[in-house]
Amino acid sequence: AQRVTQPEKLLSVFKGAPVELKCNYSYSGSPELFWYVQYSRQRLQLLLRHISRESIKGFTADLNKGETSFHLKKPFAQEEDSAMYYCALTDSWGKLQFGAGTQVVVTP
Amino acid sequence: EAGVTQSPTHLIKTRGQQATLRCSPISGHTSVYWYQQALGLGLQFLLWYDEGEERNRGNFPPRFSGRQFPNYSSELNVNALELEDSALYLCASRPGQHSTDTQYFGPGTRLTVL
Repeated sequence: AQRVTQPEKLLSVFKGAPVELKCNYSYSGSPELFWYVQYSRQRLQLLLRHISRESIKGFTADLNKGETSFHLKKPFAQEEDSAMYYCALTDSWGKLQFGAGTQVVVTP
Repeated sequence: EAGVTQSPTHLIKTRGQQATLRCSPISGHTSVYWYQQALGLGLQFLLWYDEGEERNRGNFPPRFSGRQFPNYSSELNVNALELEDSALYLCASRPGQHSTDTQYFGPGTRLTVL
């Protein structure tokens, strides 16, 4: 069965410090992996997806098939990065399987 | 470009009643997904509609149903409401060509069952 695990419910970091959100998955096949973000009082939106291999707002994520991980990283956290982050994978039907989410709080 | 819209924003019902939630996808998008975001349960896939047909459903009872109209907008119906149906219901749309295309989410409908 496919599963997405985000072990941290809450991550508190200081502004300027590195931040890493962990995501592990189980999926039989080659998954498509995503990070979605929900800022306060805004709708859920795509942050990045692994196939595009691009950096958005300074965030990057590398798919490690050996460790079945897709951790999200940013070298220097900003206050505007405070948000709820969801790791997700999609199956052949296109439906998204989400992790439980990690709340990131960046303090000045 | 207008994003995905959902109505109503909030809906309050009592146990046993029926709720109808509506979603308008981005213009040109033919696939609509429904997700439930319940407290403590995270985001869970409910239903997928594409080209007017139900293509897949999640692990929810049959009292959760819906449809997609010729203009690709969609309705989610929840019959015989139970207290645990209280949640934020999100609709997402994507272009129909590839299943892994990015899904764009609406703001959600907050359903409260008393």
